[in-house]
Amino acid sequence: GQNIDQPTEMTATEGAIVQINCTYQTSGFNGLFWYQQHAGEAPTFLSYNVLDGLEEKGRFSSFLSRSKGYSYLLLKELQMKDSASYLCAVRDSNYQLIWGAGTKLIIKP
Amino acid sequence: IAGITQAPTSQILAAGRRMTLRCTQDMRHNAMYWYRQDLGLGLRLIHYSNTAGTTGKGEVPDGYSVSRANTDDFPLTLASAVPSQTSVYFCASSEGGRATDTQYFGPGTRLTVL
Repeated sequence: GQNIDQPTEMTATEGAIVQINCTYQTSGFNGLFWYQQHAGEAPTFLSYNVLDGLEEKGRFSSFLSRSKGYSYLLLKELQMKDSASYLCAVRDSNYQLIWGAGTKLIIKP
Repeated sequence: IAGITQAPTSQILAAGRRMTLRCTQDMRHNAMYWYRQDLGLGLRLIHYSNTAGTTGKGEVPDGYSVSRANTDDFPLTLASAVPSQTSVYFCASSEGGRATDTQYFGPGTRLTVL
């Protein structure tokens, strides 16, 4: 079966760095997405990786290792507004997105 | 530009009733999707449409139907609602046709079936 694993919840301190991991087992791989979802709101796109390596976008970076079936989202200089759920999704061989359950990130002052 | 709109925002429905959730996008995207999101589970695809006039079944299609008469609209119908269909429903759209295709989400409909 297809599976995306993420930690359920993480806590970090304002101004610090946090790394949210995602491991996947899917039938085929056509890219990995990270989305942010604030409570009661819609998911919004953060990043896309299809090749191994690190993609940097401001305070957020996303890393992919296809051989390990592994990705992480790195958030630097954490702000209170970064409190949200972070969703990992993999596009499979049928070009459908398979979603993880999301990681709820709690930022403390 | 509104992006994607969904209606209603929330609804309480008696079991056995018929309900249509509306979704409209103004981005001229080819592909549209319906997901449900339940606590502790990832987004699950109900139905999708790669282009106007075509639809396909996702992971959890039972009890739901869709139509795609034009590019902009993609309504989701529950023919006879059951309590297990209590969920938050998200409509999404994307340009389609590329591996880098990014999905953009509407604000969601919170549905409670009693």
